[in-house]
Amino acid sequence: GAGVSQSPRYKVAKRGQDVALRCDPISGHVSLFWYQQALGQGPEFLTYFQNEAQLDKSGLPSDRFFAERPEGSVSTLKIQRTQQEDSAVYLCASSFRTQNTGELFFGEGSRLTVL
Amino acid sequence: KQEVTQIPAALSVPEGENLVLNCSFTDSAIYNLQWFRQDPGKGLTSLLLIQSSQREQTSGRLNASLDKSSGRSTLYIAASQPGDSATYLCAVRVYNTDKLIFGTGTRLQVFP
Repeated sequence: GAGVSQSPRYKVAKRGQDVALRCDPISGHVSLFWYQQALGQGPEFLTYFQNEAQLDKSGLPSDRFFAERPEGSVSTLKIQRTQQEDSAVYLCASSFRTQNTGELFFGEGSRLTVL
Repeated sequence: KQEVTQIPAALSVPEGENLVLNCSFTDSAIYNLQWFRQDPGKGLTSLLLIQSSQREQTSGRLNASLDKSSGRSTLYIAASQPGDSATYLCAVRVYNTDKLIFGTGTRLQVFP
């Protein structure tokens, strides 16, 4: 596609529910990143994939957070047993290059509200 | 630990003014620095990417400079327009990792 696509754009979940957020990167982009953005803050790194390999998951806040990219394209971020502090915008970004000099392109994000 | 700071946090100016937004970072071991624009409720739009070996990049009315040794970058916006109103974020790509570390942004309002 022309840009990074994320779905759903908005998700309201009751505390304790599981949610899954999807990211469709730009076609051909090798690198994929997930970020979490709280209201009024800059995005915070969650995890990074190069193709299907998850190379860095140091930013995932707890073991309730899980990300996968099984075929090296679409990625899913799953949050189990959601808590109110999980409310945020979850941004996905992709990059063409595998080197660390590549430009990142972001999707519009998935806004999660946990009641 | 890399920390990125943006000053000012908010800025309100009349149309036509030339603006400077500041970004500072604590660790100069970076691959690059990227400036983004974020409109309310939207994702991030990449504006300019400066590699660590470069001093500046230009795109239209935007010019970004990088002084890696002093840990500073500036985004210069010439002849501001109401359509420039948004939050501007800078982010550094940390050396030896794949992470972008973001500042908290400068919220810009340009009024007619």
